[in-house]
Amino acid sequence: AQTVTQSQPEMSVQEAETVTLSCTYDTSESDYYLFWYKQPPSRQMILVIRQEAYKQQNATENRFSVNFQKAAKSFSLKISDSQLGDAAMYFCAPRTNSGNTPLVFGKGTRLSVIA
Amino acid sequence: GAVVSQHPSWVICKSGTSVKIECRSLDFQATTMFWYRQFPKQSLMLMATSNEGSKATYEQGVEKDKFLINHASLTLSTLTVTSAHPEDSSFYICSARRGAANYGYTFGSGTRLTVV
Repeated sequence: AQTVTQSQPEMSVQEAETVTLSCTYDTSESDYYLFWYKQPPSRQMILVIRQEAYKQQNATENRFSVNFQKAAKSFSLKISDSQLGDAAMYFCAPRTNSGNTPLVFGKGTRLSVIA
Repeated sequence: GAVVSQHPSWVICKSGTSVKIECRSLDFQATTMFWYRQFPKQSLMLMATSNEGSKATYEQGVEKDKFLINHASLTLSTLTVTSAHPEDSSFYICSARRGAANYGYTFGSGTRLTVV
């Protein structure tokens, strides 16, 4: 079974600044993927970024990047140049690469962006 | 691409009645869909895995007879909350995967159920 820990229930960041959201996970699998999802007030789940565990290079998507430390089972999300639209709940989710296994989410981090 | 349509977006029903929520994959076939439940300010909790043409797999603690799941086609899964009670009031979200495993999952827009 996979477990996910997001130790920061709430975070805040000034507009245009950088913030890092932490996530640790536990899995016995060697082949898996990691995802960060965003849930704005509309409650629509939006994929922010993904990382293949076999890749050493950290994934980057525009202002979003990850710091993936496989040995430590850590998968943090860095948001640069924060914008008001980044305010949302952020969920970390690992997923094994075996059939149609579901995403198991952490408790989430609520990010506020201060103008 | 990879759009999942979920209806209704919100519904209010009386205690004791049943409510059906639909989840459709619009531009792809989804042999498997997942149903989640989310309480206010909490994370998404997996309820069940819906498999096309076979019985759903429920997570521990989820009542099979209360939350009926039907996945009759490759593009439609339904969740029926039977004999609803106020404690069933929640936000229900479906998801499905299109394509390779590293693509993640696409989510429906969710259904807010209020039982009065």
